[in-house]
Amino acid sequence: QQPVQSPQAVILREGEDAVINCSSSKALYSVHWYRQKHGEAPVFLMILLKGGEQMRHEKISASFNEKKQQSSLYLTASQLSYSGTYFCGTPANAGGTSYGKLTFGQGTILTVHP
Amino acid sequence: DAGVIQSPRHEVTEMGQEVTLRCKPISGHNSLFWYRQTMMRGLELLIYFNNNVPIDDSGMPEDRFSAKMPNASFSTLKIQPSEPRDSAVYFCASSHGGGSGRSFISTDTQYFGPGTRLTVL
Repeated sequence: QQPVQSPQAVILREGEDAVINCSSSKALYSVHWYRQKHGEAPVFLMILLKGGEQMRHEKISASFNEKKQQSSLYLTASQLSYSGTYFCGTPANAGGTSYGKLTFGQGTILTVHP
Repeated sequence: DAGVIQSPRHEVTEMGQEVTLRCKPISGHNSLFWYRQTMMRGLELLIYFNNNVPIDDSGMPEDRFSAKMPNASFSTLKIQPSEPRDSAVYFCASSHGGGSGRSFISTDTQYFGPGTRLTVL
């Protein structure tokens, strides 16, 4: 099943904060976060592992709540360069052989204005 | 290190023509994924390979689409005949992928190529 992201879109001014959530209906072992800038390919940001630490990429951090089957991406003091579409991806077969297949959420469009 | 390489970067063709998209995965990666992205449908997984073997092609929209991976360093996605609704950006991605249990988790990270923007007139 496809993970569900919220919100679908968010508009910020530089310096403001935002949170993007990724929820799954099945147990999660890991969550991958990607960012895609307009006209470019998705780029890997970070991976959250079950029982692992909160991760950080520049001023972007993420957490993993196993009980809620959810991961959250925190964008602090947003910069213009943060604009893009953020995707979360979850392994297709948690705990088993997945051959690397990820099921991606529908994406959250983040726009940062000056 | 070279990332995933795709060619061509842009392709404009007329309806009915054959289109072949090419992908070279990152050396050492053994899983390869073909995606299609449109505004309407988002990012769709078409097919993926592991150790050059197709694992799941359930995302391939029609028999007009076919994909091959003759060796570990090359894959093609072919559309024959092409139609205007095939216009999209096609991405190839690769990962270490494989194994079982917790040990495979960190290998699932996919690295995307720059994509091929296909326009079918």
